[in-house]
Amino acid sequence: SQKIEQNSEALNIQEGKTATLTCNYTNYSPAYLQWYRQDPGRGPVFLLLIRENEKEKRKERLKVTFDTTLKQSLFHITASQPADSATYLCALDIGEDDKIIFGKGTRLHILP
Amino acid sequence: DGGITQSPKYLFRKEGQNVTLSCEQNLNHDAMYWYRQDPGQGLRLIYYSQIVNDFQKGDIAEGYSVSREKKESFPLTVTSAQKNPTAFYLCASGQIWDSNQPQHFGDGTRLSIL
Repeated sequence: SQKIEQNSEALNIQEGKTATLTCNYTNYSPAYLQWYRQDPGRGPVFLLLIRENEKEKRKERLKVTFDTTLKQSLFHITASQPADSATYLCALDIGEDDKIIFGKGTRLHILP
Repeated sequence: DGGITQSPKYLFRKEGQNVTLSCEQNLNHDAMYWYRQDPGQGLRLIYYSQIVNDFQKGDIAEGYSVSREKKESFPLTVTSAQKNPTAFYLCASGQIWDSNQPQHFGDGTRLSIL
């Protein structure tokens, strides 16, 4: 079955540094991968989508890479701020009925 | 503003009782989804619907039922057959056949057992 793993349950990063989150998957070749942010008690909010033929995507302080050989996506937040503290979820399409599957998420804490 | 509205925000269920969670969207999206989120777990798909009057089971449909009588609405019923219903329930919508579009989520309903 498809499996999607995010590297760590929680990550502490000093303010101003770059936070890097990892998403690995097995047993599938997704056409695209998405990253979402979720705050406590709220629904996930879409951040970025990257396609299988794209190596890198940027949006303001966010950068996503997608390596289909390694079956891995990296999500970077540069110049991190305490307001970036949240849970970040990766999700990939399974090529069926527009369904996507989600990783368990990484809780990111930016320390002031 | 376009978006997804879930209600209620908190819901309590007694033993043997069915409860219904509401989900309404005004984004004109064709597809709607119900997910369950448990602590330390990813989102797991319960049911989804790509068109009115049609819906499909997801990975954990047992003990749940849905209907899709209107494009805007996709209510989820948690039946008494669901023995472990305590969780955070998230509804989402999306535009099918357009992989550029992400899913849009509501702010969830937290269901607890009395």
